[in-house]
Amino acid sequence: NAGVTQTPKFRILKIGQSMTLQCTQDMNHNYMYWYRQDPGMGLKLIYYSVGAGITDKGEVPNGYNVSRSTTEDFPLRLELAAPSQTSVYFCASRPGPRDTQYFGPGTRLTVL
Amino acid sequence: QQPVQSPQAVILREGEDAVINCSSSKALYSVHWYRQKHGEAPVFLMILLKGGEQKGHDKISASFNEKKQQSSLYLTASQLSYSGTYFCGAEETSGSRLTFGEGTQLTVNP
Repeated sequence: NAGVTQTPKFRILKIGQSMTLQCTQDMNHNYMYWYRQDPGMGLKLIYYSVGAGITDKGEVPNGYNVSRSTTEDFPLRLELAAPSQTSVYFCASRPGPRDTQYFGPGTRLTVL
Repeated sequence: QQPVQSPQAVILREGEDAVINCSSSKALYSVHWYRQKHGEAPVFLMILLKGGEQKGHDKISASFNEKKQQSSLYLTASQLSYSGTYFCGAEETSGSRLTFGEGTQLTVNP
């Protein structure tokens, strides 16, 4: 039982490039989330999903896209990377409402 | 709207106590507490589901006042390992997501 896994761990992008951050969970959780955390700051919700085929915007969705074709996977797509997207990205999952939420180890992204 | 945490930072000596508060402007379905060490992911501490509920393990406990939409985290006889940033996560009645406060940085010195 690996929990929530994220790849890659680190990535440097040039301005204008695109990439996909991968997130997989093996706990059969329905709810999945993407957060970003800027240095010294809190966790801001980018997108979330309450089940396969269902996604919704969080607080800071601009510049990102997601899909949820399976229960296990919830990839985050960055199009036309900008320096403002330099951050640590955390994926998280939980079974449902009022359940414990588990975080992945994070992806540290730098856009130069 | 994110919950408000106070204080923003606190410095303790080993063995001292601390209280971290979390307040929301909206009705809460549950409150979740996490601790994050530098360079690591947040780690779950506890969840409070009902007004008046109190929980704890080791020397860390929490309470939830549903009517006031507030929760408090209590750290007693602090240890060096308690250092880190503490976040509260507020779950509104829709139950679909958590919104996190800006965090409270706790430093425990010998």
